[in-house]
Amino acid sequence: SQTIHQWPATLVQPVGSPLSLECTVEGTSNPNLYWYRQAAGRGLQLLFYSVGIGQISSEVPQNLSASRPQDRQFILSSKKLLLSDSGFYLCAWTLQGMYGYTFGSGTRLTVV
Amino acid sequence: TQLLEQSPQFLSIQEGENLTVYCNSSSVFSSLQWYRQEPGEGPVLLVTVVTGGEVKKLKRLTFQFGDARKDSSLHITAAQTGDTGLYLCAGRNYQLIWGAGTKLIIKP
Repeated sequence: SQTIHQWPATLVQPVGSPLSLECTVEGTSNPNLYWYRQAAGRGLQLLFYSVGIGQISSEVPQNLSASRPQDRQFILSSKKLLLSDSGFYLCAWTLQGMYGYTFGSGTRLTVV
Repeated sequence: TQLLEQSPQFLSIQEGENLTVYCNSSSVFSSLQWYRQEPGEGPVLLVTVVTGGEVKKLKRLTFQFGDARKDSSLHITAAQTGDTGLYLCAGRNYQLIWGAGTKLIIKP
């Protein structure tokens, strides 16, 4: 069966520090991968998506970047965090032709 | 800019009551998904509706896709405390558009 792993679950980082959040998918090949950010108790904002290794599309210009070094690995990074980067970050996957997304359990990032 | 509006934003009711939440847009979607999210977790897919006028039932939850595929509703019969959570709808055309969610609290 397919599973998605996202870590860490929580992270407290100082302003100006780097960031690396990792997401891996198991049990499937060639997934479409997504990074979302969610404001407290509200809807999802798409940050990046990838349809293949090395292929990254950015939806919102910001202080973040994404990379897909392997088929089932998706990484969200920042060189210097801002206070406004605080939030709940979610990784998700789907397959071409599938309707629904499967989400990871999220990372709560607090920039202090 | 495509929008998907959910209403109400917040709903608190007693266990055993019925409720309906709505998801509306001026855009036409090829499909629409409903998710439930619990605090500190990722959203979990409940259902996908594809055909205009389609009705799907998941135990006490009934989902309907509007005839014009611009809106959807979720009806819960005899709500239980386990139904508490954030309900999100997402409509797909060439991209996936997310609603802001309905926060539902079922009181015992």
